[in-house]
Amino acid sequence: DAGVIQSPRHEVTEMGQEVTLRCKPISGHDYLFWYRQTMMRGLELLIYFNNNVPIDDSGMPEDRFSAKMPNASFSTLKIQPSEPRDSAVYFCASSSTGLDETQYFGPGTRLLVL
Amino acid sequence: GDSVTQMEGPVTLSEEACLTINCTYTATGYPSLFWYVQYPGEGLQLLLKATKADDKGSNKGFEATYRKETTSFHLEKGSVQVSDSAVYFCALIRFSGGYNKLIFGAGTRLAVHP
Repeated sequence: DAGVIQSPRHEVTEMGQEVTLRCKPISGHDYLFWYRQTMMRGLELLIYFNNNVPIDDSGMPEDRFSAKMPNASFSTLKIQPSEPRDSAVYFCASSSTGLDETQYFGPGTRLLVL
Repeated sequence: GDSVTQMEGPVTLSEEACLTINCTYTATGYPSLFWYVQYPGEGLQLLLKATKADDKGSNKGFEATYRKETTSFHLEKGSVQVSDSAVYFCALIRFSGGYNKLIFGAGTRLAVHP
């Protein structure tokens, strides 16, 4: 298996622009997680899906952030409009049903908002 | 609520030194416990896990024992290598409302010098 795939790997944009991050989970996994990592705040869970349905979005920082999972093999995290404080590494992870399942992380998207 | 506390880094060691990274947790019940590792420029990957009290997880020379008496899951390695330089995250899994998610510690950076 190719593992969790994220694109782009790096994104540089200007404040106010829309940013879309993409994730393809491991085939057969029914959980998908979006995390954000910064030096100041560490690793934060933004939102997670089960069977394509958003379960908990309490970590989404504000309305500028939205996430979708239109099917089992694709998810997007969108920031509109972007701000410099959104600069971070965004990780997608997936796992399969079970009480103690391992989460498999993608390589991350490094976002820089100027 | 559930939480994980790790020793602050960075931890700097010479090659072949012994490593201990402390991790304690607060949780209801007996959650599964994990150590994840993040190498530079990569996503997190599972290093080891333990699912019940007194279990010992091990991988790549690293070990951690689930101690319910002290609510701890310390990571140990007898002889570190330069290639072990990374950030290490302790985590527990919280099962709530039919779904589960990982609660991560802040991470501990390890630097190993030749």
